[in-house]
Amino acid sequence: NAGVTQTPKFQVLKTGQSMTLQCAQDMNHNSMYWYRQDPGMGLRLIYYSASEGTTDKGEVPNGYNVSRLNKREFSLRLESAAPSQTSVYFCASSSQVQETQYFGPGTRLLVL
Amino acid sequence: AQSVTQPDIHITVSEGASLELRCNYSYGATPYLFWYVQSPGQGLQLLLKYFSGDTLVQGIKGFEAEFKRSQSSFNLRKPSVHWSDAAEYFCAVGHPNAGNMLTFGGGTRLMVKP
Repeated sequence: NAGVTQTPKFQVLKTGQSMTLQCAQDMNHNSMYWYRQDPGMGLRLIYYSASEGTTDKGEVPNGYNVSRLNKREFSLRLESAAPSQTSVYFCASSSQVQETQYFGPGTRLLVL
Repeated sequence: AQSVTQPDIHITVSEGASLELRCNYSYGATPYLFWYVQSPGQGLQLLLKYFSGDTLVQGIKGFEAEFKRSQSSFNLRKPSVHWSDAAEYFCAVGHPNAGNMLTFGGGTRLMVKP
């Protein structure tokens, strides 16, 4: 039982490049989330998916897109990376019944 | 708008001393409240949560927190800190009517002196 997994662990991009961050959970959770973490700002929600087939914007969605591929997987795409997107990205999932979010180990992204 | 404030960015305590980390929130309804801990280079681990009922909640690693509605606070406490408690601590409010999205405070970094 791996919980929430994220790939890659670390990535360096040049400005304007694109990439997709992958997230998968094996806890049969309905809801999944993408956050970014920046120093002194805690975690801020980018997008979330309350259930399979639905996605909604969070606090900081600009420059990102998401896909809820199935119940297990939720990907985050940067179409044209910018230095302001340098951050640590965390995926999380929760069961609506339990209402507790479980976090993956994070992806460190550096945009040059 | 919902918000979470952790007034202390850094706290240093001696090993064996007691600890209290402050958290204040602004939320229009009865909140779901969480404390998470993050060790360097790691993801977030849930310490404890409050949904309803007893306002004093017990968590893992000897931590507890008390929900005080009148003060809009959810402070985290531990009676005796261990060196392994050095980490960053985040308070968060959950929004059950909005996909259970979390709003986090800015975090408090705890350092433990030997």
